[in-house]
Amino acid sequence: GNSVTQMEGPVTLSEEAFLTINCTYTATGYPSLFWYVQYPGEGLQLLLKATKADDKGSNKGFEATYRKETTSFHLEKGSVQVSDSAVYFCALSDRTGGFKTIFGAGTRLFVKA
Amino acid sequence: DAGVIQSPRHEVTEMGQEVTLRCKPISGHDYLFWYRQTMMRGLELLIYFNNNVPIDDSGMPEDRFSAKMPNASFSTLKIQPSEPRDSAVYFCASINQAVSSYNEQFFGPGTRLTVL
Repeated sequence: GNSVTQMEGPVTLSEEAFLTINCTYTATGYPSLFWYVQYPGEGLQLLLKATKADDKGSNKGFEATYRKETTSFHLEKGSVQVSDSAVYFCALSDRTGGFKTIFGAGTRLFVKA
Repeated sequence: DAGVIQSPRHEVTEMGQEVTLRCKPISGHDYLFWYRQTMMRGLELLIYFNNNVPIDDSGMPEDRFSAKMPNASFSTLKIQPSEPRDSAVYFCASINQAVSSYNEQFFGPGTRLTVL
């Protein structure tokens, strides 16, 4: 079945540091890939998406590229801010499996000033 | 647009009591999902509906849990009787599959349930 594996946290960085959160997936079809972000006390919200191989999703300085050959969708940001402190979830959705979204375990990011 | 609305935002109850969580999806959305989030188990899909019909309830932990969607604008998740291990944050999310070709889910703010 479909699954998502992402790096364990927490990840602690200083402001302006480079961020990478690794994510790999297993899917039988051709899934869409997502990164969702959860700020304290809130629900998840979509950060970025990619719907086919080699697509790059980007938003708010975050980027992730859909790599079919390595089944990966790593999240990156060149310079993190304190306000980026949150939990980040990698996810996939494959319509052959209905409209379910499979979420990774989440990676908590702390950014220090 | 108001977004997905959940109520109550916080619920504290005693073991054995009935708990009802409520969700109003975004107008026009035809899929509704209930999730449970805990530190130990992460985000778990409990059940989801399409056009008010339950499609997959395989994630419902046991018979104490039940969910209904009597109309397109309202859903409930009920726990009876509640137990301390049910303490978690419960999220509702919705999708408009006709508009979103890639299944973006819109989440509500969650209900934090504490069972004493």
